[in-house]
Amino acid sequence: QKEVEQDPGPLSVPEGAIVSLNCTYSNSAFQYFMWYRQYSRKGPELLMYTYSSGNKEDGRFTAQVDKSSKYISLFIRDSQPSDSATYLCAMSSSWGKLQFGAGTQVVVTP
Amino acid sequence: DVKVTQSSRYLVKRTGEKVFLECVQDMDHENMFWYRQDPGLGLRLIYFSYDVKMKEKGDIPEGYSVSREKKERFSLILESASTNQTSMYLCASSIDRVGGANVLTFGAGSRLTVL
Repeated sequence: QKEVEQDPGPLSVPEGAIVSLNCTYSNSAFQYFMWYRQYSRKGPELLMYTYSSGNKEDGRFTAQVDKSSKYISLFIRDSQPSDSATYLCAMSSSWGKLQFGAGTQVVVTP
Repeated sequence: DVKVTQSSRYLVKRTGEKVFLECVQDMDHENMFWYRQDPGLGLRLIYFSYDVKMKEKGDIPEGYSVSREKKERFSLILESASTNQTSMYLCASSIDRVGGANVLTFGAGSRLTVL
């Protein structure tokens, strides 16, 4: 079983909708949680970074971590066609290697 | 802006050829990484380096080697390319940390096709 599970999608939503992405994990030592966005034929870029449990908001993006359920989420409000990309979750313990989910492809249709 | 530059974006090689993938970062980061990315499998760590001339195996090092002669440069070497090494290769770097997360900055990737 993989340490980090992520639904590969694709997830297709109309412009303006809320995009909801999530990952589950098995390692209770994970404390650092990240979301990367990867456009087609590009490298991943850091979108959100959260330490431990709780919510973090940055513009249209909200990251949530529920350590008790070993579940993290990313919400994109008022989605735009430019949000069409693959979203990768990643997480680690202190000093540990970063573990990535397989990525969810999101398509926002005008 | 932190920049991680991968010199070759697209390569086509033949089975058995030696392949060099070069990566340079310009932010004086201590740590550098090589991943491969395949559909459905996500990013898998091949090798990483936390200092010049130091290297550590990742999760899938077989068939690969690396070289880090200078802090800013990290090379991935396929001694004898095989078709199952056809993939997207991503280089990344990160600043050193005292506890805390290893936040990676990625290059644009090198798509390798082995025929």
